[in-house]
Amino acid sequence: NAGVTQTPKFQVLKTGQSMTLQCAQDMNHNSMYWYRQDPGMGLRLIYYSASEGTTDKGEVPNGYNVSRLNKREFSLRLESAAPSQTSVYFCASSNQLGDTQYFGPGTRLTVL
Amino acid sequence: ELKVEQNPLFLSMQEGKNYTIYCNYSTTSDRLYWYRQDPGKSLESLFVLLSNGAVKQEGRLMASLDTKARLSTLHITAAVHDLSATYFCAPPVGNQFYFGTGTSLTVIP
Repeated sequence: NAGVTQTPKFQVLKTGQSMTLQCAQDMNHNSMYWYRQDPGMGLRLIYYSASEGTTDKGEVPNGYNVSRLNKREFSLRLESAAPSQTSVYFCASSNQLGDTQYFGPGTRLTVL
Repeated sequence: ELKVEQNPLFLSMQEGKNYTIYCNYSTTSDRLYWYRQDPGKSLESLFVLLSNGAVKQEGRLMASLDTKARLSTLHITAAVHDLSATYFCAPPVGNQFYFGTGTSLTVIP
């Protein structure tokens, strides 16, 4: 039982490049989330998915897109990376919206 | 916009001492979560407080919630080095969680 897994763990991009962050959970949770963590700012919600087939914007969605591929997988895409997107990205899942969230190990992204 | 403020932001305390971390939030929420994050690691759930007046204890940590005052506290009793970490409070509002900026705790031997 791996919980929440994320790939890659580290990534360096040049400005304008695109990439997709992958997240998968094996806890049969309905809801999944993407956060970014910046120094001194806690975690901020980018997008969330209440259940398979639905996605909604969070607090800071600009510059990102998401796909809830199936119940297990929720990906985050940066179409044209910018230095302001340098951050640590966490994926999380919960049984339902508002329940305890279980976090993945994070992806440390640097955009040059 | 919901604001979640934690005090203090940084806390350095000696082993064996007691201290309280405060979490104030600006919009009504009927529950609140506390998470712990070790340096370079992910977040781990500590407590969920589900109603006004709720109190939860785990080892040397005790959390409480006052929804009317929009205040939660995390009390540390007789601190030990293993408690060194960053602690976040997170009240959900609607379908979203809002995390505080975190309290970085260092326990000095």
